[in-house]
Amino acid sequence: AQSVAQPEDQVNVAEGNPLTVKCTYSVSGNPYLFWYVQYPNRGLQFLLKYITGDNLVKGSYGFEAEFNKSQTSFHLKKPSALVSDSALYFCAVRDTGGYQKVTFGIGTKLQVIP
Amino acid sequence: KAGVTQTPRYLIKTRGQQVTLSCSPISGHRSVSWYQQTPGQGLQFLFEYFSETQRNKGNFPGRFSGRQFSNSRSEMNVSTLELGDSALYLCASSLPSDTGELFFGEGSRLTVL
Repeated sequence: AQSVAQPEDQVNVAEGNPLTVKCTYSVSGNPYLFWYVQYPNRGLQFLLKYITGDNLVKGSYGFEAEFNKSQTSFHLKKPSALVSDSALYFCAVRDTGGYQKVTFGIGTKLQVIP
Repeated sequence: KAGVTQTPRYLIKTRGQQVTLSCSPISGHRSVSWYQQTPGQGLQFLFEYFSETQRNKGNFPGRFSGRQFSNSRSEMNVSTLELGDSALYLCASSLPSDTGELFFGEGSRLTVL
C-alpha cells in the first residue's frame, strides 16, 4: 500500500527566509508525486508534480520540489517566503501501473511571520 | 473554463439523517474523486469514478456511496449520519491519466448535530 508522511504539523519561517516543507513517501513501483496548497475555507490547488526526469521540479508561485529516490523524499522549497504563502500544504503520491488512487499526507501548516 | 463546482457549500444535518452532495467536474474531465477532510485525519480517499464506473474505493463503511452520471457529474450520499461524519467533503476531477493532477472544488462542509 502506498503512503505519504509529512513529519511536521507546522513550519514557522520568517518572511524573506527560505522555507522547506518535508515529505517522504512509500510506493511499490515508481511514484508520481504532487504538492497541493489549501487556503482557509477553500479547496486544494495544484502546485507542482514529479513524473520523471529532472529531480528538481519547478511549480507555481516560485515553489520547487526536489525528488530524492534513495531517501524516498519530495521536499517542497521556496527561496524566499512571503506572508501570503501561509497556508496548509499537502504532499500526495500516486503509484504507477494503472489507475491507482491518490494518497495524501496529513498536511503541514506553513506560517510565514512578517 | 469553469472549475469544479460543489453544492451545497454548507449544510447542517442531525444524526440519523442522510445527505447527498453534488459535484460538477471541469468540462472534459471524466474522472471524479471524493475525499473527506478532517483536522486530525487529513484527506481520506472515499472513491473514484470514471465513465460512470467506480474504479477505486477507500476504507469507508457502506453508508458512504456515490455514483457518476453520463455527463460526468457525480453525487455522493451518506446515510444514517453520525457525529463523526462532520467534515469537509472535497470533490476533484482530472483527465483520464495517472500523471495528471487533480482539480478540486471548494468543498461541501457538513456539520452533523
